[in-house]
Amino acid sequence: AQTVTQSQPEMSVQEAETVTLSCTYDTSENNYYLFWYKQPPSRQMILVIRQEAYKQQNATENRFSVNFQKAAKSFSLKISDSQLGDTAMYFCAFMKPLYNNNDMRFGAGTRLTVKP
Amino acid sequence: ETGVTQTPRHLVMGMTNKKSLKCEQHLGHNAMYWYKQSAKKPLELMFVYNFKEQTENNSVPSRFSPECPNSSHLFLHLHTLQPEDSALYLCASRHHRDRGEKLFFGSGTQLSVL
Repeated sequence: AQTVTQSQPEMSVQEAETVTLSCTYDTSENNYYLFWYKQPPSRQMILVIRQEAYKQQNATENRFSVNFQKAAKSFSLKISDSQLGDTAMYFCAFMKPLYNNNDMRFGAGTRLTVKP
Repeated sequence: ETGVTQTPRHLVMGMTNKKSLKCEQHLGHNAMYWYKQSAKKPLELMFVYNFKEQTENNSVPSRFSPECPNSSHLFLHLHTLQPEDSALYLCASRHHRDRGEKLFFGSGTQLSVL
């Protein structure tokens, strides 16, 4: 079974600074997908960024980028120029790309607070 | 808005009550999910439906009973719950052929069992 571990329950960062959230996972698969989701106080989970394991290039979405280390099974999220609206829970998730497999596994989350 | 709607947003129930959570999407998705979110724990996958057929039951107690009458609607029927069942229940959906694509989530139902 795949497990996803987020070792930082809470983090804080000053506005405009950079912060990195950690995620490690355990799998025997060679091909899979990794995600970071954000859950603001509204509770709605929003996709931040997605990485395909067979792609070596790290995904980026504006101020959000990942450091994907496949051998180390590590998938960290870097938020640059942090904004107050980035305050939220962040969840790392793993999914196998099998046709009938709809199983997306999540970590316990990291609560990020951006301070003014 | 993600296009996935959950009702009610909040629910308080006694241990002997019977209630139902509802999830609705009109995105054309045919895979729907129930997740349980408890404080400081990973999201727990409860049930998965593909084309109205249940394809995953993640060892969920029988006091939780899912129902998927069509690809757009998903229910979670609750009866004789325990206080430890208090949590945020999230519904999600996606198209089953979108391998590796994101899930679309609702805003959840915050359930409190007294």
